[in-house]
Amino acid sequence: GAVVSQHPSRVICKSGTSVKIECRSLDFQATTMFWYRQFPKQSLMLMATSNEGSKATYEQGVEKDKFLINHASLTLSTLTVTSAHPEDSSFYICSAPVHSGNTIYFGEGSWLTVV
Amino acid sequence: AQSVAQPEDQVNVAEGNPLTVKCTYSVSGNPYLFWYVQYPNRGLQFLLKYITGDNLVKGSYGFEAEFNKSQTSFHLKKPSALVSDSALYFCAVRDRGSGNTGKLIFGQGTTLQVKP
Repeated sequence: GAVVSQHPSRVICKSGTSVKIECRSLDFQATTMFWYRQFPKQSLMLMATSNEGSKATYEQGVEKDKFLINHASLTLSTLTVTSAHPEDSSFYICSAPVHSGNTIYFGEGSWLTVV
Repeated sequence: AQSVAQPEDQVNVAEGNPLTVKCTYSVSGNPYLFWYVQYPNRGLQFLLKYITGDNLVKGSYGFEAEFNKSQTSFHLKKPSALVSDSALYFCAVRDRGSGNTGKLIFGQGTTLQVKP
């Protein structure tokens, strides 16, 4: 079945550096992907909508220069956290819809720890 | 505005007993509703969805949910709980304003604890 793969599952980076998280649709094409942020035992907060071949759409309050999203192909979207700070430490999850949005699959998530 | 509410932060149930995790929604028009489960440090796994058709939807791992339009509810149920069902459960509605992109609006989540 359709699978969304996310990499890395865990990453530790130093403050001030940048880190990239990849989200891949493995056996389907995804013109749209979504990036969420989740704090422990809380709900998912939508950060942005990633659009293949065009600019991402960011939710209100999300800094587009800090969270760079690139969707260069129909199977890959990347989220780059730039100049990371400890408060950026979180669980980041991507999703991709199939069947005209009637089914939405999620990646396994990526734990980011900024030290 | 569209929204989803899960009124219970935590639900406790004994193994073998039936379980219910509640969800209510507020949308204009016909809703597309979903249930997902999240195990610790993992992504979300799809359980079931209601798009149209029968109000009782059967999903993965023996779970089912009943769409009730008059009560605007979509409660998740299972006849006999397992300890392995212990996890965080999310109800979600597809954002109609986003067309068919698959943008979801999530409830706050309910932790299910099944005790042996």
